[in-house]
Amino acid sequence: DTAVSQTPKYLVTQMGNDKSIKCEQNLGHDTMYWYKQDSKKFLKIMFSYNNKELIINETVPNRFSPKSPDKAHLNLHINSLELGDSAVYFCASSQVVLAPQETQYFGPGTRLLVL
Amino acid sequence: QQQVKQSPQSLIVQKGGISIINCAYENTAFDYFPWYQQFPGKGPALLIAIRPDVSEKKEGRFTISFNKSAKQFSLHIMDSQPGDSATYFCAASMRSNTGKLIFGQGTTLQVKP
Repeated sequence: DTAVSQTPKYLVTQMGNDKSIKCEQNLGHDTMYWYKQDSKKFLKIMFSYNNKELIINETVPNRFSPKSPDKAHLNLHINSLELGDSAVYFCASSQVVLAPQETQYFGPGTRLLVL
Repeated sequence: QQQVKQSPQSLIVQKGGISIINCAYENTAFDYFPWYQQFPGKGPALLIAIRPDVSEKKEGRFTISFNKSAKQFSLHIMDSQPGDSATYFCAASMRSNTGKLIFGQGTTLQVKP
């Protein structure tokens, strides 16, 4: 049973295209996150949702739009893809917001390559 | 002030040796310091974590040492094994910041048999 799952695992696309990455967690957690890991493996938070409400929105281009249809799902839509968007995108979840000591559980990642 | 600085970038250790990874932070409001382990092709997973009210936490072969006055903390892996070969990230967060983790740059550890 996968706790945090992401689809697709790999995504290769052309510059200018629009793409979406889906994330689902079956842990019953209230909070979900999107992280970006660049080619140097640096991990940076992009967004966080608690029970479908946006609570963290880092300085991310507005071409990136998260959507949470319910608290078990957090999708990431990217418009007008650029070369610099190539990275691994991780979804994560944790049980409670406003409790930073809560463990964050990461998905397996989506490897995005923009050509 | 929001940065967490991690060193070394890469580390090679012989099997059975001790691996030491160091992190430093500036923001004294940070109150939770986890370490995450990431294997190639996988997502990071929590390894061990510490709060600043203790100076050391040990779980099996993994120990966090925390120096509040120096604003530094480190991960020690005793009796390092080839299966420990992975990338390790230190991180920090604060109670008032909605679970936002600030990660260090990562250390790639290779344990040679």
